[in-house]
Amino acid sequence: KQEVTQIPAALSVPEGENLVLNCSFTDSAIYNLQWFRQDPGKGLTSLLLIQSSQREQTSGRLNASLDKSSGRSTLYIAASQPGDSATYLCAVRPPREYGNKLVFGAGTILRVKS
Amino acid sequence: EPEVTQTPSHQVTQMGQEVILRCVPISNHLYFYWYRQILGQKVEFLVSFYNNEISEKSEIFDDQFSVERPDGSNFTLKIRSTKLEDSAMYFCASTLRQGADTQYFGPGTRLTVL
Repeated sequence: KQEVTQIPAALSVPEGENLVLNCSFTDSAIYNLQWFRQDPGKGLTSLLLIQSSQREQTSGRLNASLDKSSGRSTLYIAASQPGDSATYLCAVRPPREYGNKLVFGAGTILRVKS
Repeated sequence: EPEVTQTPSHQVTQMGQEVILRCVPISNHLYFYWYRQILGQKVEFLVSFYNNEISEKSEIFDDQFSVERPDGSNFTLKIRSTKLEDSAMYFCASTLRQGADTQYFGPGTRLTVL
């Protein structure tokens, strides 16, 4: 059974700092991995999707990498801003023949102080 | 930009009552999902739906739950006889195709069972 773990559980940084959020998964046989942002009491906003054949994806100040063989992904946030404060969720999708469901980690709560 | 919408944003009900949660997926999407998030816990997959039938469901999705696409735009989750433990945030999601696509999530419906 696929398990997704995110470290750290919470992170507080001063504005402007570069930071890395970590995601690990127990079964390396994944189809893709998606990073989401969740604001308190709100829905999930998709940030980046990495296919299993890719090593990284970039969007603005965000860069996500994937090392499938070791079961790890990182989300790098450059020049953090107070508006980046949110919970960041990592989710993996199993191989195609096992359906479309996403398996989520518990998230990293990020606070960027001004 | 197209988005998934959900109504109501908050539903309060008495234990044993039936509730229907509504979702309008992105208009040209073909695959639909329900997830839930109990307060303080991970987002969990409930069910996926394609071509007017359930394609996959989790062990949480028992006989108390059902899904329906009653017309060309709505996608509903019905809980027949709510329990206290059904209190959670329920998210609807959709994708255009199977597999490789980003899953787009709605803002959620917070269900409170008293």
